[in-house]
Amino acid sequence: KNQVEQSPQSLIILEGKNCTLQCNYTVSPFSNLRWYKQDTGRGPVSLTIMTFSENTKSNGRYTATLDADTKQSSLHITASQLSDSASYICVVTASASKIIFGSGTRLSIRP
Amino acid sequence: DSGVTQTPKHLITATGQRVTLRCSPRSGDLSVYWYQQSLDQGLQFLIQYYNGEERAKGNILERFSAQQFPDLHSELNLSSLELGDSALYFCASSPLDTSNYGYTFGSGTRLTVV
Repeated sequence: KNQVEQSPQSLIILEGKNCTLQCNYTVSPFSNLRWYKQDTGRGPVSLTIMTFSENTKSNGRYTATLDADTKQSSLHITASQLSDSASYICVVTASASKIIFGSGTRLSIRP
Repeated sequence: DSGVTQTPKHLITATGQRVTLRCSPRSGDLSVYWYQQSLDQGLQFLIQYYNGEERAKGNILERFSAQQFPDLHSELNLSSLELGDSALYFCASSPLDTSNYGYTFGSGTRLTVV
């Protein structure tokens, strides 16, 4: 069964700290994996996209990693800011009709 | 502004009614995707159109239908509405008939069925 599981479900950290979000998937075949940031009530915004051959992709303070062998990805946020408070969604694509969304990690940054 | 325009932003309607949500893709994008996000739930892929043709179907109910017009805008029609249809409906667009190149989301239409 194609699944994308994210952990933790929610996370609270202090401003300025780093954190890492996890995504495990069983989607097959694998085409690409994306991380999105979704502010409450807004559309998701793409952070990174990685294909099978890529194992690291950075976008400013966001760094995503992919291990296609273990089918795991992580999103590392460095020096968190209050504006990083949002849901972070992992999306794995197998084909045009197989786009599996994780349920997201809700991140709260406290001052 | 992502370049993907969705209207209306908010919609309140009664059970049993029919509504139409509209999406204008980003300039140059040929693919349009529709997603549903219920309260505190993940995004569910509904349907994809590419250059006017239906390309892929996800978890779309038979009461729902969509189409993409020659000018590439798309409409999602929801009929015989139920309370459980209350959700955020997002449209996304991408340049090609594959999501490999990434897609851009609109800001969504919040549908409330009362």
